[in-house]
Amino acid sequence: GDSVTQMEGPVTLSEEAFLTINCTYTATGYPSLFWYVQYPGEGLQLLLKATKADDKGSNKGFEATYRKETTSFHLEKGSVQVSDSAVYFCALSDEYNFNKFYFGSGTKLNVKP
Amino acid sequence: GAVVSQHPSWVICKSGTSVKIECRSLDFQATTMFWYRQFPKQSLMLMATSNEGSKATYEQGVEKDKFLINHASLTLSTLTVTSAHPEDSSFYICSARGTGIDLVGGYTFGSGTRLTVV
Repeated sequence: GDSVTQMEGPVTLSEEAFLTINCTYTATGYPSLFWYVQYPGEGLQLLLKATKADDKGSNKGFEATYRKETTSFHLEKGSVQVSDSAVYFCALSDEYNFNKFYFGSGTKLNVKP
Repeated sequence: GAVVSQHPSWVICKSGTSVKIECRSLDFQATTMFWYRQFPKQSLMLMATSNEGSKATYEQGVEKDKFLINHASLTLSTLTVTSAHPEDSSFYICSARGTGIDLVGGYTFGSGTRLTVV
């Protein structure tokens, strides 16, 4: 069945460091891929998405490219800020039922000043 | 933007009692709501999907009689954990999709409820 695997955290970085959070997936067909972010005390918010192979999703300086050949959707940011500290979830939705999401276990990011 | 309010944010209850968690869409009508559960260091798992005015659709392995879902209005869905036991302790989170909202990723999530059964 469909599944998502993302790197375990926590990830601790200094401000302005480069961020990569790895995410790989298993799916039949052509799923849509997402990154969600959860700030302390808040709900999950959609950060970016990609709906087909080679698409690049981007938002707030974050980027992720849908790589079908490596079944990956790694999240990157060139220069993190303290305000980026949050939990990041990689997810996919099934091609035939976009109501059904499969989430990774979440990666907590701590950015120190 | 769309906001989903989930209440309570955390609850501790005694084994054998029931707990109700509410999920409200504050500024949109949520035709479909979803309930997820997350065990420590594991993924969010979809428990059930509910459409306003109809019975919820449960995922395989989720006990319908233990996790009662009611979606009686377009702005409110409730999850009741009946006769809770320590193994029901988990993080529960709801999400909602309104009419006309992008089907791909157009979901709004609540902030979650941490349930601890003692």
